[in-house]
Amino acid sequence: DGGITQSPKYLFRKEGQNVTLSCEQNLNHDAMYWYRQDPGQGLRLIYYSQIVNDFQKGDIAEGYSVSREKKESFPLTVTSAQKNPTAFYLCASSIVRELTPEAFFGQGTRLTVV
Amino acid sequence: AQSVTQLGSHVSVSEGALVLLRCNYSSSVPPYLFWYVQYPNQGLQLLLKYTSAATLVKGINGFEAEFKKSETSFHLTKPSAHMSDAAEYFCAVSKSGTYKYIFGTGTRLKVLA
Repeated sequence: DGGITQSPKYLFRKEGQNVTLSCEQNLNHDAMYWYRQDPGQGLRLIYYSQIVNDFQKGDIAEGYSVSREKKESFPLTVTSAQKNPTAFYLCASSIVRELTPEAFFGQGTRLTVV
Repeated sequence: AQSVTQLGSHVSVSEGALVLLRCNYSSSVPPYLFWYVQYPNQGLQLLLKYTSAATLVKGINGFEAEFKKSETSFHLTKPSAHMSDAAEYFCAVSKSGTYKYIFGTGTRLKVLA
């Protein structure tokens, strides 16, 4: 079955520690996205990538980093510079060539700082 | 800049009653519009999307939405609510060629027995 796999589902981070969230898709989509979800704030775009080896900052990129070395993979690193990382993180992908492509989402990773 | 406003962070309806979730957009060019649903601790699932082929769009689970350019609205409706419709609903907008999605803050739907 095609889809987007995020791992782990739950992640705990200590203060000052970097952590990496995994996102893999087998939909052959060109574009991939990372969103952060906080209660009452909807989804906010962290980073997005429309092609391998290229990515752009979204609205809240500070304290995060990404890489796009393979079409299928778009890992997100939450660095110690992110002061309030506790949130639900969603990865998505979409086709670039279609006129009105919708984004397909993974099941999310819930990150908690302990 | 594009934006999306969802009026009402929480909406309660009785089972069998009409569901109306509001979404207004602001865009300098005709946008592409989407409605997604999210169940607790899960990702988002597409309900429907506006493709400019028709102003009334039918989606899954009996939901539909009407694009009204004069009102810059894309409200989501369902004639009869079911208990399984309880979830959070997000309206999103994308501008052609950007492949970037802007989401509203969401509306949590509660269905009362």
